[in-house]
Formats: sequence, structure tokens, C-alpha cells
Amino acid sequence: EVQLVESGGGLVQPGGSLRLSCSASGFSFSSYDMHWVRQAPGKGLEYVAAITSNGDTTQYAGSVKGRFTISRDNSKNTLYLQMSSLRTEDTAVYYCLELPRFWGQGTLVTVSS
Amino acid sequence: DIVMTQSPDSLAVSLGERATISCKSSQSVLYRSNNQKYLAWYQQKPGQPPKLLFYWASTRVSGVPDRFSGSESGTDFTLTISSLQADDVATYYCLQYYSAPYTFGQGTKLEIK
Repeated sequence: EVQLVESGGGLVQPGGSLRLSCSASGFSFSSYDMHWVRQAPGKGLEYVAAITSNGDTTQYAGSVKGRFTISRDNSKNTLYLQMSSLRTEDTAVYYCLELPRFWGQGTLVTVSS
Repeated sequence: DIVMTQSPDSLAVSLGERATISCKSSQSVLYRSNNQKYLAWYQQKPGQPPKLLFYWASTRVSGVPDRFSGSESGTDFTLTISSLQADDVATYYCLQYYSAPYTFGQGTKLEIK
């Protein structure tokens, strides 16, 4: 059974940093591109970032470019999202996923003073 | 970036009646090497991550009831529920995964009339 389990969410002040992790199991993690998507409270889905299977290439939404960094450790079957210079508008549930099939349950990030 | 325009924003349909949701991409999402359109449909219920219904525009995921269908014509995509059931109340999203950054439609909230 495929499992994607996010962790690392929480409350952080504006301007702060946070690192999300996503532990993957049940599929060949190192063979797949991986992604982060977020959903602000009561809002729609927003694509955040992607990384190729070997980690060589990354892509970001304009809203997070320069502030967020996606990375992975294939030896640990883990995906990461390093978030810095956080803003109140970054408040959302962050999902780790292997598009289009598998989604994690999400982790809530709240940016507030 | 490819823009996905989904309509309507909300929809109220009587039980047993047909529901139709549309999604239009601003450019082709056809991957010529396999002749597939990289368009997915998701169903999201409150407090849950999105659930994949269709990929490649019209390939139904195992376990999805056959009252759900996906179709396409050029850059226009349609999700149809032939006979609405109470369990179908949810928000539905389209996603293009042809070109990064991948992009979602804004969502359609489906309710019972």
C-alpha cells in the first residue's frame, strides 16, 4: 500500500522558516518525480513545487520561488520542502504527492504573529 | 503557465439527475509521444485530501463508480456524473500535469438541490 506521510507543520511567525518532510513507502520512490501542493483554508488547490526523480531539476510556482526549496533523499525515501521568509498568505495545508495518483494526508502550516 | 478555467464555480443538482463540470486549458495538454492528454479529475470532501477519479482525461481509476465519466475535445474537458448520489457532494478539481508548473482549475462545489 502506498503511503505518503507529511510532517513538520505548525505555527510560525511571519518571516520565519519551517521544513516539511514527507516519508514515502509502498512504491519505488526513487523512480518518480515528486511534488508539493497546498490548500489555504477554504480555498482551492495551488501547485507549489516539483522535483525530478534524481533530484537534478526543480520547479516552483511564482508565489514561492526564491523562498521555498524542494529536495529529496532517495536513500531515505523522503521528500522535503524548506520554507523561508514565510508570509501569512503561506498559511495552508501542504500535501506531498506523486502526481497524479498518490497524495498524503497533508500537514498544516500556520503563519501568524 | 497553462491556465485551467473550470466552470461553474458551484452547482446544485437534484438526486438522480446529471451533473456536468467543465474545464478548459489555455493550451494543448496532449503528449504526442503516447497520444494522451495529461488532464486529471479529483474529488475532494471536507477534511480529506483530493481523490483521483480520472487520469489521461478519461481513464477511470479502479473503484470509481461508472456513473462518473470523463471526456475531452481539444482543450475542453468534461466530468459528468450521470445520476447524482448523495455521496457525490464534494468539490471537484481538474489538473493539467503536462507542463510544469502544473495547474489546477479553481474548483466546482457540487451540492444537492
